[in-house]
Amino acid sequence: DTAVSQTPKYLVTQMGNDKSIKCEQNLGHDTMYWYKQDSKKFLKIMFSYNNKELIINETVPNRFSPKSPDKAHLNLHINSLELGDSAVYFCASSQETGSNTGELFFGEGSRLTVL
Amino acid sequence: AQSVAQPEDQVNVAEGNPLTVKCTYSVSGNPYLFWYVQYPNRGLQFLLKYITGDNLVKGSYGFEAEFNKSQTSFHLKKPSALVSDSALYFCAVRVRNAGNMLTFGGGTRLMVKP
Repeated sequence: DTAVSQTPKYLVTQMGNDKSIKCEQNLGHDTMYWYKQDSKKFLKIMFSYNNKELIINETVPNRFSPKSPDKAHLNLHINSLELGDSAVYFCASSQETGSNTGELFFGEGSRLTVL
Repeated sequence: AQSVAQPEDQVNVAEGNPLTVKCTYSVSGNPYLFWYVQYPNRGLQFLLKYITGDNLVKGSYGFEAEFNKSQTSFHLKKPSALVSDSALYFCAVRVRNAGNMLTFGGGTRLMVKP
């Protein structure tokens, strides 16, 4: 069973479209994240949710809207896609309470290409 | 603000030789330090972590890392490199708290040649 799964793995779309990426974790973790990896492989945090509550919202355009229907899911919706949105988006999860040491577990990534 | 520096974009090493991938960090408070590896078109895989205790930590695939508080470093090492170790390696730091994010370095590409 995949611990953190993202769909779709690849997404090719036109500028101006709206798209969503879904993420689910079956690790029982209480915190989920979205990271963006650009073409130079640099990883930047976008959002973090703890028990369905937004706790980190870095400087990300309003066109990006995360939604967490429950603590096992964190979806990313992107409106009015732009060329610069092309990247690989990684979902991750961690357990922030108890004796765990907070390492993140990552999904396989969703490669978004905006044409 | 917390930050991580990986000063080498790429490290080249011959198979069988020891390897070191460098990492230095800056954080307020006691750091939690991590190394992740990324193979092509894959997600990041956790290698090892330093939380507290022994400064030398051992992780997956024969990798180890040494925490040096005075030099604020957490270099990744392996005594004998394999061609299959070739990948992108990321160092990361955080202070443990639900509101604190994991900050990554820019990554170092390790190339192990036969």
